[in-house]
Amino acid sequence: AQKVTQVQTEISVVEKEDVTLDCVYETRDTTYYLFWYKQPPSGELVFLIRRNSFDEQNEISGRYSWNFQKSTSSFNFTITASQVVDSAVYFCALSDRTQGGSEKLVFGKGMKLTVNP
Amino acid sequence: NAGVTQTPKFRVLKTGQSMTLLCAQDMNHEYMYWYRQDPGMGLRLIHYSVGEGTTAKGEVPDGYNVSRLKKQNFLLGLESAAPSQTSVYFCASSWVGVSNQPQHFGDGTRLSIL
Repeated sequence: AQKVTQVQTEISVVEKEDVTLDCVYETRDTTYYLFWYKQPPSGELVFLIRRNSFDEQNEISGRYSWNFQKSTSSFNFTITASQVVDSAVYFCALSDRTQGGSEKLVFGKGMKLTVNP
Repeated sequence: NAGVTQTPKFRVLKTGQSMTLLCAQDMNHEYMYWYRQDPGMGLRLIHYSVGEGTTAKGEVPDGYNVSRLKKQNFLLGLESAAPSQTSVYFCASSWVGVSNQPQHFGDGTRLSIL
């Protein structure tokens, strides 16, 4: 069965520190997709990134970077020089394809990041 | 662009009451989903729909019913609300499956059952 584990439940850092959010997954599929979503204190869910299982290149977007390693079934997210606005709950998610071919997401339990000034 | 709109945003119910949560999307998406979010549990899928007139059970479907009579709307019903259904409910939609594009989420409905 599909499973996403975010071991860290809560992290607190001081502004400008780098922080890495870990995500480990289990999947029965050979082709799958991984996602990160951000949920700021206002409550909405914001899509950050999607990565397919064939693309193991690391990705960088501004202060955000993602490290995808199939060998360890991990898709870690690093925020460089964190800012107070990065304070949020971050969710890692994994695609789940049903026998009928439809697709849905399985989410990790989330990790609450607090960046203090 | 409205995107995914959830109605209502907040609601308080008494145990045993019924209600319907409405999700509307204006992106012509085929797939729609209902999740619930509880502290320490992440988002768990309740029901989903892969097209107008279709519905399927997710991870935690008990106590809920859904309908997708129109492509743009996905309704979540609680026939007899229970305190265990106190949660934040999110609706999401996507063009086809997640392999094509990510899900777009509504802003959530905070539901309290007393």
